[in-house]
Amino acid sequence: NAGVTQTPKFQVLKTGQSMTLQCAQDMNHNSMYWYRQDPGMGLRLIYYSASEGTTDKGEVPNGYNVSRLNKREFSLRLESAAPSQTSVYFCASSVSAGRGDTQYFGPGTRLTVL
Amino acid sequence: DAKTTQPPSMDCAEGRAANLPCNHSTISGNEYVYWYRQIHSQGPQYIIHGLKNNETNEMASLIITEDRKSSTLILPHATLRDTAVYYCIVRARQGGGNKLTFGTGTQLKVEL
Repeated sequence: NAGVTQTPKFQVLKTGQSMTLQCAQDMNHNSMYWYRQDPGMGLRLIYYSASEGTTDKGEVPNGYNVSRLNKREFSLRLESAAPSQTSVYFCASSVSAGRGDTQYFGPGTRLTVL
Repeated sequence: DAKTTQPPSMDCAEGRAANLPCNHSTISGNEYVYWYRQIHSQGPQYIIHGLKNNETNEMASLIITEDRKSSTLILPHATLRDTAVYYCIVRARQGGGNKLTFGTGTQLKVEL
């Protein structure tokens, strides 16, 4: 049982390049989330998927798109990367989208945009 | 979700209890207190949560005051591996919305 896995662990992009961050969970959770964490700050929600087939915007969705590929996988895409998107990106999952459900986090993807 | 206030940093000697305070004076009746921690460069880790009764699990104890305006996370025998940023989060148990509002937390440093 690996929990939540993320790929890649590190990535460097040039401004304007695109890339997709991958996330998968093996806990049969219904809900999945993408957060970003800037240096010295707490996590901020980008997008979430309450269940397979649905996605919703979080606090900072601009510049990102998401795809809930199936129950296990939730990807985050940067279409045209900008230096302001340099951050650590965390994926999380929970049993459901209710506010009381514990979220389990992946190890993060460290992205630098030059 | 109610706002929380935590001290920016605390130190603790290894083997001693670490008591991390959190103020949440605007908490409402249906809001729970959650604690997560983030060890350097890793994803946040769930620790414990509670509504109004004190809670204990294998990781920690959570003490919530009777008026629910503040709480304390207790790590009974802190080790070097407990050095991390600890986040106190208040959120409702029902209704829509899925955002964990992390804030800046308390940096706990456990030393020999």
